[in-house]
Amino acid sequence: LAKTTQPISMDSYEGQEVNITCSHNNIATNDYITWYQQFPSQGPRFIIQGYKTKVTNEVASLFIPADRKSSTLSLPRVSLSDTAVYYCLAHPDNNNDMRFGAGTRLTVKP
Amino acid sequence: DAGVTQSPTHLIKTRGQHVTLRCSPISGHKSVSWYQQVLGQGPQFIFQYYEKEERGRGNFPDRFSARQFPNYSSELNVNALLLGDSALYLCASSLWAGGSYEQYFGPGTRLTVT
Repeated sequence: LAKTTQPISMDSYEGQEVNITCSHNNIATNDYITWYQQFPSQGPRFIIQGYKTKVTNEVASLFIPADRKSSTLSLPRVSLSDTAVYYCLAHPDNNNDMRFGAGTRLTVKP
Repeated sequence: DAGVTQSPTHLIKTRGQHVTLRCSPISGHKSVSWYQQVLGQGPQFIFQYYEKEERGRGNFPDRFSARQFPNYSSELNVNALLLGDSALYLCASSLWAGGSYEQYFGPGTRLTVT
């Protein structure tokens, strides 16, 4: 199973764009890349998922280069409520053994 | 529509006891997964059930078991509780078992073992 590496923490200010990069050097051909957000004392919440190139939804964009060894979650114009832990996962399509790492703790300051 | 629900919200048990945690998936979802999250760490996969059959198991001892019922709800059982079992136990449901299907997490059950 692919191991992911993310920065432990990041700081940003309200209104800025935040990019969190995740490394997954040993990603398998059939692995998807999924990002989750988690607030204290709550379950993780799905943000975005992709396989290659770029995916965009109403809350974020996900950039995946051609070699798929890394991915970048982009959060446009963050607000204080985006302060949370963000997890990157690289996992097979059978949804088996979703391995969450320690995540990136994003702190948005006023 | 109701999201994933879990019961109880909090639970305090003594070492050696057993515990049963319950999860109701989103209506129409057939896959349920269980995770353990220790304070300060990411969730760790315990089990996945799909159509009442175990589809995957993480690196947890046999003291942990689970099952899924015909209505797709699920129970997680932990026997012979240890202090290290203290954690937030999360249940997640998805429409199907494939990884391309979004998982929806419940609020979790906070288990404290004393």
